[in-house]
Amino acid sequence: IVMTQTPLSLSVTPGHPASISCKSRQSLLFSDGKTYLSWYLQRPGQRPQLLIYEVSRRLSGVPDRFSGGGSGTDFTLTISRVEAEDVGVYYCMQGMDLFSFGPGTKVEI
Amino acid sequence: QVQLVESGGDLVTPGGSLRLSCAASGFSVTDYYMSWIRQAPGKGLEWVAYISVSGDTIYYPGSVKGRFTISRDSAKNSLYLQMNSLRAEDTAVYYCARGSPGWAFGYWGQGALVTVSS
Repeated sequence: IVMTQTPLSLSVTPGHPASISCKSRQSLLFSDGKTYLSWYLQRPGQRPQLLIYEVSRRLSGVPDRFSGGGSGTDFTLTISRVEAEDVGVYYCMQGMDLFSFGPGTKVEI
Repeated sequence: QVQLVESGGDLVTPGGSLRLSCAASGFSVTDYYMSWIRQAPGKGLEWVAYISVSGDTIYYPGSVKGRFTISRDSAKNSLYLQMNSLRAEDTAVYYCARGSPGWAFGYWGQGALVTVSS
């Protein structure tokens, strides 16, 4: 499943909101009723870390300024108030049919 | 505390072979689905291998199918990636990752660099 993200680069202002769009070529709704779309942040020089799974479920310990939404083929990651530590590359990933990642969105202050 | 530590990354000539290891601690590799995910220099993430909880279901994308083999050893609590017929385009940092609910990856190792070059 091909995943796309927009924008590919995003300049943000601390304290302001930011959002990233992720689209899949086919629906990520599985026969069990769940939608397998997750979001990852890779800070500079670090390994990726899981932020959100199943579209909107935040991993324990992830700040609540991060939220995910969407359905079917269109999804969004929103940061309500960007902080300096949020810089890095954000990836969406589908797990509905094996696994594939979006190209990444580079977020800079 | 969950930890994943990869090893075995190296410089290898095209057509050569290499085996990566991922030592797990804080959990059993037989209790979770596991994968290898790679990242070419300056590029994005690419999933390259999957092994199920039972170990009897394995998948690869077309880019590595027939060349890469994922396996695990419960006694050593480790995951492996055997890579054969390596190509320049296989140059990447290889991460092992533990599966999480929602067909996501909640834990990642620090990565092992594989460079394929003559």
